[in-house]
Amino acid sequence: DVELVESGGGLVQPGGSLRLSCEASGFTFSDDWMSWVRQAPGKGLEWVANIKKDGSITNYVDSVKGRFTISRDNTKNSVYLQMNSLRAEDTALYYCVRDPSVIWGLDSWGQGALVTVSS
Amino acid sequence: QAGLTQPPSVSKGLRQTATLTCTGKSNLVGNQGATWLQHHQGHPPKLLSYSNDNRPSGISERFSASRSGNTASLTITELQPEDEADYYCSIWDPDLSAWVFGGGTKLTVL
Repeated sequence: DVELVESGGGLVQPGGSLRLSCEASGFTFSDDWMSWVRQAPGKGLEWVANIKKDGSITNYVDSVKGRFTISRDNTKNSVYLQMNSLRAEDTALYYCVRDPSVIWGLDSWGQGALVTVSS
Repeated sequence: QAGLTQPPSVSKGLRQTATLTCTGKSNLVGNQGATWLQHHQGHPPKLLSYSNDNRPSGISERFSASRSGNTASLTITELQPEDEADYYCSIWDPDLSAWVFGGGTKLTVL
């Protein structure tokens, strides 16, 4: 079975940085794109970023461009989200998601890592 | 970012049928495959349908999806208490190079 385990969440002050990690198992990690999706308290789901199988292409939602960086290490079956210049509105539960194709959708989700940006 | 519009809430009775809708730009919903996710708070979202009308393995036949013009729909038959959840549609927008989500519909089973 596909398993995605996020880590690295926590409390950070506005303007600070945090790095989320996601370790994958149960599938051939290097065969699939990967995404990060977040849910702010009381809000809906918002896609944040994705990365191609080999890491050569990345995409971001406008609100995080220039502040967040998605990366991956296929030797460690892991995807990362480096978050800089954090704002209160980045407070959310961040999900690591398998993103096999635009046809098959976001098909497997981790349990999420909570990021709280507050002074 | 481009938007997908979902009604904020739908209420239906036990064992009734609920149809949830998701409306977007015609060239988006019409050309791309809509996906549907079920989200119980405290748990990760679950993919119910992809490419407009395909169900992943293990998803009940009570869930079916379709598309007409610029509207995607998710129909849930024989509603059960456990169907009470938030439901999201999502589509890959190639113009934005981004996954776009609808605002979500909260389904209440009375």
